[in-house]
Amino acid sequence: AQSVTQLGSHVSVSEGALVLLRCNYSSSVPPYLFWYVQYPNQGLQLLLKYTTGATLVKGINGFEAEFKKSETSFHLTKPSAHMSDAAEYFCAVRSYNQFYFGTGTSLTVIP
Amino acid sequence: DTAVSQTPKYLVTQMGNDKSIKCEQNLGHDTMYWYKQDSKKFLKIMFSYNNKELIINETVPNRFSPKSPDKAHLNLHINSLELGDSAVYFCASSQVVSDGYTFGSGTRLTVV
Repeated sequence: AQSVTQLGSHVSVSEGALVLLRCNYSSSVPPYLFWYVQYPNQGLQLLLKYTTGATLVKGINGFEAEFKKSETSFHLTKPSAHMSDAAEYFCAVRSYNQFYFGTGTSLTVIP
Repeated sequence: DTAVSQTPKYLVTQMGNDKSIKCEQNLGHDTMYWYKQDSKKFLKIMFSYNNKELIINETVPNRFSPKSPDKAHLNLHINSLELGDSAVYFCASSQVVSDGYTFGSGTRLTVV
């Protein structure tokens, strides 16, 4: 069975500080892993994905994530937070025909 | 030239009414989905169609009925609306397993 756990439903960082959003997964097959961002009153937008190959994946808006099989983790990071990064972030694992989404992490950026 | 478009964007209706939400994708994807996002932002899959064939039908009240006239369209019809149906409904599409979903912008349904 596949599942995703996002630690911390709310994360607050100061503008310019490191952003770290945590995601752990369980999967009975090699996973495809994704991070999505949802800005207020909008749909979900793909930030980045891991399928195979390099375990450090770079995405849009300066975000990156590292797939660590030994830790079953796929944490999302950004070196320096910007006010425009304030949004809801979802980690997801894909298996066969559907995604399994985490419960989301709301990121607040403090000026 | 929106990739996945949903209509309407907002829908306010009274309990007991029947309503439909339409979804169209112009990406040529074979698979389309409906998700429900509740007030706590939790995303729950409802249905999935692959080339007009229903492949995922989660535990959803049978008041909800999807219809896919062709692989570019997946509509959601809801009968006898209840207060608990208030949520944001997202349509999405995808092609291969290694790809992510492309989401529509959502339909905010409010039942009063």
